[in-house]
Amino acid sequence: DIVLTQTPLSLPVTPGEAASISCRSSQSLLDANDGYTYLDWYLQRPGQSPHLLIYTLSHRAPGVPDRFSGSGSRTNFTLKIRRVEAEDVGTYYCMQRLDFPSTFGPGTKVEIK
Amino acid sequence: ALLVQSGAEVKKPGESLKLSCKGSGYSFSDYWIAWVRQMPGKGLEWMGMVYPGDSDTRYSPSFQGQVTLSADMSITTAYLQLNSLKASDTAIYYCARKSGGLDSWGQGTLVTVSS
Repeated sequence: DIVLTQTPLSLPVTPGEAASISCRSSQSLLDANDGYTYLDWYLQRPGQSPHLLIYTLSHRAPGVPDRFSGSGSRTNFTLKIRRVEAEDVGTYYCMQRLDFPSTFGPGTKVEIK
Repeated sequence: ALLVQSGAEVKKPGESLKLSCKGSGYSFSDYWIAWVRQMPGKGLEWMGMVYPGDSDTRYSPSFQGQVTLSADMSITTAYLQLNSLKASDTAIYYCARKSGGLDSWGQGTLVTVSS
């Protein structure tokens, strides 16, 4: 299975400041056949189900604020939050779906300082 | 798209259980339904997925043989069956629609296995 690692695992943030989460993959997530990179990002707020933020590397899901952005290539990926808001608290997961089975990173817990 | 899961369950070790996930607001037969486990205080684990259109299933090797996925297109419902439950099966189980990413999630079903 493809292994995803995330750093940091815990991220205290100040509202209004930027935040960044890294996700690294044990192998490239670039599909050579179609040129897409199959890496998604999810947020699970406390006590809630996860929901999709970013799909296929950099596409924001409908309704996701534009302060969220995804970037990276092959094995190194980043989720950036341009100006953190209180509602952004929760655990962020990256997930790969290039290879079967899909796998998730361990999660990064974001909390307000 | 809306996915509504069945309610919380408390079971004894060795018992079996079938969880449901009812889809609405979209063409249920056209999208894979994935199942994801979250053990207490832990991260997300991808278990497998079922395609309601033809009941095709794919299982993560970690869960192959431990669970059975199925779907009934006529009532737009997907199922996760857990057999021979153990205390370690205690978790929240989520279903999610696969449309590219997992773009719509159920509310989760808490399963508690305890003697």
